[in-house]
Amino acid sequence: QKEVEQDPGPLSVPEGAIVSLNCTYSNSAFQYFMWYRQYSRKGPELLMYTYSSGNKEDGRFTAQVDKSSKYISLFIRDSQPSDSATYLCAMGANSGGYQKVTFGIGTKLQVIP
Amino acid sequence: SQTIHQWPATLVQPVGSPLSLECTVEGTSNPNLYWYRQAAGRGLQLLFYSVGIGQISSEVPQNLSASRPQDRQFILSSKKLLLSDSGFYLCAAGVTEQFFGPGTRLTVL
Repeated sequence: QKEVEQDPGPLSVPEGAIVSLNCTYSNSAFQYFMWYRQYSRKGPELLMYTYSSGNKEDGRFTAQVDKSSKYISLFIRDSQPSDSATYLCAMGANSGGYQKVTFGIGTKLQVIP
Repeated sequence: SQTIHQWPATLVQPVGSPLSLECTVEGTSNPNLYWYRQAAGRGLQLLFYSVGIGQISSEVPQNLSASRPQDRQFILSSKKLLLSDSGFYLCAAGVTEQFFGPGTRLTVL
């Protein structure tokens, strides 16, 4: 079983829709959680960072963490064509003196005008 | 805020040739630095990380090596490239939150 599971998609939605992206994990040692957005042939860009269960909102983006279920989500409201990208979940924990981050495979999102 | 530079942006190399990819970081001191490889349809694979000058740890045994000659410089090298070394190489900096550079796309023919 992989430490982090993420559906690769692709996921296609119409412009203006609410998008829900999800990851599950198996390692209880994960302490903090992140979402990255990666456009084609570019480096990942950090969107959201959180270390506690619950919701964190930033503009049209909401990150949700449920540590009891080992489940994290990213919601995008009023989705735009510019949101079309691959979204990577990431989770981190202290490992032998450094912070090791484990990434999901990424979900490819397409927002159709 | 920190900025991460990588070069070259694209590289096409024959099998058996050497490799040198460079990463430099601006806007922070003594960062933790990371090299990742991203293959098509696969996630980010951590190759090396460094917590300081001259301190390199390898996550995956392979024909690649890394060096950190200066605080904000991280170099990925190989003496002889394999076909399987093709991929998108990303440098990252940070402690908990990791920030990525633009990447180098390497094709080994």
